[in-house]
Order: sequence, then structure tokens, then C-alpha cells
Amino acid sequence: AQTVTQSQPEMSVQEAETVTLSCTYDTSENNYYLFWYKQPPSRQMILVIRQEAYKQQNATENRFSVNFQKAAKSFSLKISDSQLGDTAMYFCAFQGAQKLVFGQGTRLTINP
Amino acid sequence: DAGVIQSPRHEVTEMGQEVTLRCKPISGHDYLFWYRQTMMRGLELLIYFNNNVPIDDSGMPEDRFSAKMPNASFSTLKIQPSEPRDSAVYFCASSFFGNEQFFGPGTRLTVL
Repeated sequence: AQTVTQSQPEMSVQEAETVTLSCTYDTSENNYYLFWYKQPPSRQMILVIRQEAYKQQNATENRFSVNFQKAAKSFSLKISDSQLGDTAMYFCAFQGAQKLVFGQGTRLTINP
Repeated sequence: DAGVIQSPRHEVTEMGQEVTLRCKPISGHDYLFWYRQTMMRGLELLIYFNNNVPIDDSGMPEDRFSAKMPNASFSTLKIQPSEPRDSAVYFCASSFFGNEQFFGPGTRLTVL
């Protein structure tokens, strides 16, 4: 069974700083997807970024980028120029055959 | 598109009562997922459908839980009888052809 581990329960940075959230996963599959979802206090689950395992190039979406290390089974999220609106829970997720497996989440607080 | 729609947004009921949660997926999506989120267990997949057919219900906690998808635009998750430990946020999500999942706003269920 796949597992996803987020080792940082909470993080806090100042506005405009760069922050990196860690995620590791365990799988025997070769083809899969990895995602970062954001859950603000409104509890809506919002897709931040996705990475296909077969792509070597790291995904980027504006201020959000990932460092995907397939051999190490690592998938970290970097948020550049952090903003107050980035305050939320962040979940790393693995998708093999349709099923999403989530990590326990990292609570990120951006301080003014 | 309006996104995934869930109703009700909040539900408070008493132990032993029947609870029905409703979901309308994004039009054209062929996969529908039900998740439960609690502090203790995080986000758990309960069941998912493909083209209205249940594919994997291994996450359904017990026989008190049932889910149906009578057509491509509607699904229900029913709990009968409800218990206090069922209190959680229940999310519905949909996707097209196994791509990224889009989540509804969730239903916060409180069983007294």
C-alpha cells in the first residue's frame, strides 16, 4: 500500500520569505501522479500543483514549484514570495490507480 | 462550470438518525470520490465510482455507510444509524479520466 509522509506538522514564516514543505512517499508503482493541495480555513481543498512521475522536469505554477526526486521518493513544495493568503493546511497526495492517498498535512502560517 | 456541489454544507443530527449527504460532480467527469476528514485520521477515501459504478468501497467503515450514484450527475452517501464518531467533514470530488480530482466544499457533519 502507498503511504505519504509529511514530517513537518507546522511551519511559520514571514511574509515575502520562501518556504519549503517536505513530502516523502512509498510505492512500488512506476506510473503515478503527485499533488499538493491547499486547504485554507474555509476548508475548501484547492489543487496547487501536480507532477507526473514520468516527467523529469519539475512542475511550476507561478510562485509554487516542486522538487521531485523520484529515486528518493521525495516531493517537496517551494512557495516563493509568500503571501498572507498562503496561510493554510497543505496536503501532499499520491495517486496511482485512481485512488488518492494523502499525507497528514503541514499547517503553514504566513506572518505579516 | 459551478464546480463540485455538495449539500448540505452543515448537518447536525442526533445519534441514531439517518443522514444523507449529496453530491453533484462536475459535468463530464466520469469518476466520483467520497472522502472523510477527521483530526485523528486525516483524509480518507471511502468509496469511488467510475461511470456510476462503484469500483472500490474498501474504505467504507462499516455497514452503516452506503453510497449510490444513480446517474452521472448525482451521488449520495448515507449513514444509518448515525453515531457520534461519524462526526467529520465529508468531501465529494470528481475527475475526468483519472486526472486531478476537484473537490466540493465539504459537508460538516455533527452527530450529537
